[in-house]
Formats: sequence, C-alpha cells, structure tokens
Amino acid sequence: AQSVTQLDSQVPVFEEAPVELRCNYSSSVSVYLFWYVQYPNQGLQLLLKYLSGSTLVKGINGFEAEFNKSQTSFHLRKPSVHISDTAEYFCAVIPYNQGGKLIFGQGTELSVKP
Amino acid sequence: EPEVTQTPSHQVTQMGQEVILRCVPISNHLYFYWYRQILGQKVEFLVSFYNNEISEKSEIFDDQFSVERPDGSNFTLKIRSTKLEDSAMYFCASSTSSGGREQYFGPGTRLTVT
Repeated sequence: AQSVTQLDSQVPVFEEAPVELRCNYSSSVSVYLFWYVQYPNQGLQLLLKYLSGSTLVKGINGFEAEFNKSQTSFHLRKPSVHISDTAEYFCAVIPYNQGGKLIFGQGTELSVKP
Repeated sequence: EPEVTQTPSHQVTQMGQEVILRCVPISNHLYFYWYRQILGQKVEFLVSFYNNEISEKSEIFDDQFSVERPDGSNFTLKIRSTKLEDSAMYFCASSTSSGGREQYFGPGTRLTVT
C-alpha cells in the first residue's frame, strides 16, 4: 500500500520570503510524484510532476520540487512567494502500473501575509 | 483552454435520496476519475473509468455508487441512497494517458446530506 504525508498542515509566511512545503511518501513500488494547488472555490490544478529523469522539476508560478529517492521525499519550494500563492497545496503519488489512481496527502495551507 | 466542468456546484439532499453528480471531461480525454474530499480530510480516490467500464474502484465505492458515460460528453456519479457520511466535495478528473499522469480536475460539487 502507498501513503503520502505532508508534514505541515499550515504554513504562514511573509510576502517575498522563501517557502518549503514538505512531502514524504511510502510505497513498496516506484511511483510518479505530483504537486497540485487548490485556490479558494476552485478545482485542483497540477503544479508540477516527476515522472523520470532529473530529480529537480520546475512547475508553474515559479515553484520547483526535488525528488529524493533515499529519503522518499518530494518537497516543494519557491524562493519568493506572493500574496497570490495563498492556497492549499496537495502532494500526491501514482504507483507505477496501477491505472492512474492518485493517492493524496492531507494538504498544506499556505498563507502569505503582506 | 479546455477544462473539466461539474454541475451542480452545490447539492443539498435528504438522507436516503438518490443524487446524480455530473461532469463534462475534456473532449479528447479517454480516462475518467471521481475523487471525494470529506471536510478536513484527504482527497480520496473513488473510481476510474475507461472504455465504458470501471478500471478500478476503491473500498469506498460500494453498491450505492455507480458511474456512467451516458453520451459522448457527460460522465456521471450516482449515489443511490445517500447517507450523512456521503457529505463531501466530489471532484471529477480526466486524462489522456492510461497512467493518469496528467489529470485535469473540475471545480467540484459540494454534496450536503441532511
């Protein structure tokens, strides 16, 4: 079985500060890794994904994430956040060869203050 | 840009009633999914659907649930006899790839069972 743990339920940060949202996963098989963002009253939007290759992946809105296989982590980072980044962020995995079922973490609420 | 749409945005129903949640996936997508999120909990996979049949379903997706693609555009989730614990946000998603590696989500339907 697979599971995803997001270590922080809420992350408050000031505008223009850097931020890291942490994600760890547990799986007996290899997985694809994803970060989704949910703005208030909207659906889930894909921020970035790791399928293979370079472990540092870049996504939309200046976000990036690094896959660390030995630590089974996929932390999301942004060097300078904006007020508009305030949203809920979800880490998720899809196990290889299992039909595309996304397994989500609990979500991290990022709150950017002026 | 094409997007997944869902109707209604909010549905209130009484316990024991049947509800149908509707989704219009992106037009050239072939793989369809339903997820739900109970308030304060993780987003959970319910079911995946391809070629007019269920590919995979979770333990949550019991006999009270069914899915259908009644025409070339709609994808529906039916709950036959709603329970209080079915109250949640229900998300539809669609994808072009069998691995589900880029799923596009709709804005969700909030179901409230009273």
